[in-house]
Formats: sequence, structure tokens, C-alpha cells
Amino acid sequence: DAGVIQSPRHEVTEMGQEVTLRCKPISGHDYLFWYRQTMMRGLELLIYFNNNVPIDDSGMPEDRFSAKMPNASFSTLKIQPSEPRDSAVYFCASSTETYNEQFFGPGTRLTVL
Amino acid sequence: AQSVTQLDSHVSVSEGTPVLLRCNYSSSYSPSLFWYVQHPNKGLQLLLKYTSAATLVKGINGFEAEFKKSETSFHLTKPSAHMSDAAEYFCVVTPDQTGANNLFFGTGTRLTVIP
Repeated sequence: DAGVIQSPRHEVTEMGQEVTLRCKPISGHDYLFWYRQTMMRGLELLIYFNNNVPIDDSGMPEDRFSAKMPNASFSTLKIQPSEPRDSAVYFCASSTETYNEQFFGPGTRLTVL
Repeated sequence: AQSVTQLDSHVSVSEGTPVLLRCNYSSSYSPSLFWYVQHPNKGLQLLLKYTSAATLVKGINGFEAEFKKSETSFHLTKPSAHMSDAAEYFCVVTPDQTGANNLFFGTGTRLTVIP
């Protein structure tokens, strides 16, 4: 298995633009997680899905952020409009059963100018 | 409520000397615990996990951790540090609530290895 796949690896955009981050979880994993990592706040859970259904989105910072999982092999995290404070590394992770370890993707480094 | 505390934000050791990264947890039941490693500009990789089997857990790259319930600790150790061990290390605990699957991450310990 190729592991969790994220695209793009790097994204540079201007304030106000829409940004879409993509994730393909490991096949057979029923849980998918989106995290954000910054120097100031560390690693934060934004949202997670179980069987394509959002379970907990309490970590989503504000309405500018949205996430979808239209099928078991694809998820998106969208920021519209983007702001400089959204600059961070965004990780996607997937896992199987409850309490099992999560497998992380390589991350998307987002820079909003 | 569950939580995890990494007692040192930064640890510096000389190459070839032992490594100790400290982690204490709080949980109202017997949790699962993990250590992840993150090398610069990389994603997080699982080092090892404890899931109520043997209290001494061996992981990759020579790391191991011991679950001590009486001390609510899960410290990460390695007998001899290598330059490639320089990275950020995260201690992670599972949630209390049955059915929840969001892990709780510590704030991380940055390990520096001095040649």
C-alpha cells in the first residue's frame, strides 16, 4: 500500500483565494482525520470522519473551513477565503478500528501571502 | 478527562549516550498509548504502541517505552542516540469515551543529538 496520499505537497496562494487540500486514505481504513500543525499551536485535530460521515468537527477554526468525504477513498479540506493566519502544515491521517494507531500522510505545506 | 503531558519541550544529548523522553498521562481507564516521531518536513511515523499487553514495549530504531500505571508514565528511551534520531517526538493517548477515536497528542519534545 502506498500509505496516505496528500496533494499538493506545497501550496502558495494569496489572501482571499480558495484553497483545496486533498487526501486519499489507506484502503480499508474507516477513519480519516485532518490535522493542522503550526509552531505556535502545535498539532491540532480539525475534523474526523468515520465511514465518510463527519463525526467531530469541533476543531474546525471557523466557517471558512469545510471538509468533505464523498467516498471511502477521497477527502478534501477547503479554505475559502484563505487568510495569512491559515499558513500551516495540514496533515491527513487514517486508521482502522477505534484506539488503533493513525497513519499520517506527508502533509501539505500551505502558505497564504 | 484524558490528557498527556510531555515534560520536556527540548532534550539535547550527545551521540552514543542514552535518550529519555518523558511522558505522563491522565486517564480514567486503561488507555492505549503511542509514541510518534516526526523528522523535519515529514509526516508523523509510529514508533511504538502500548495496548494493555506487555508493559515494556519495543519499537522501531531501537526505541522502547515502559507503561507504569502507578506513575501514570510512558517514558521513551533508547540506550544510544544516533544522529538520525534528531526529530520531534509526540506522546499520544486514546480517549476515554467508548466510540470516540480522536487521539490526544502531547505538545512534543524536540530531540537534538550532538555529534
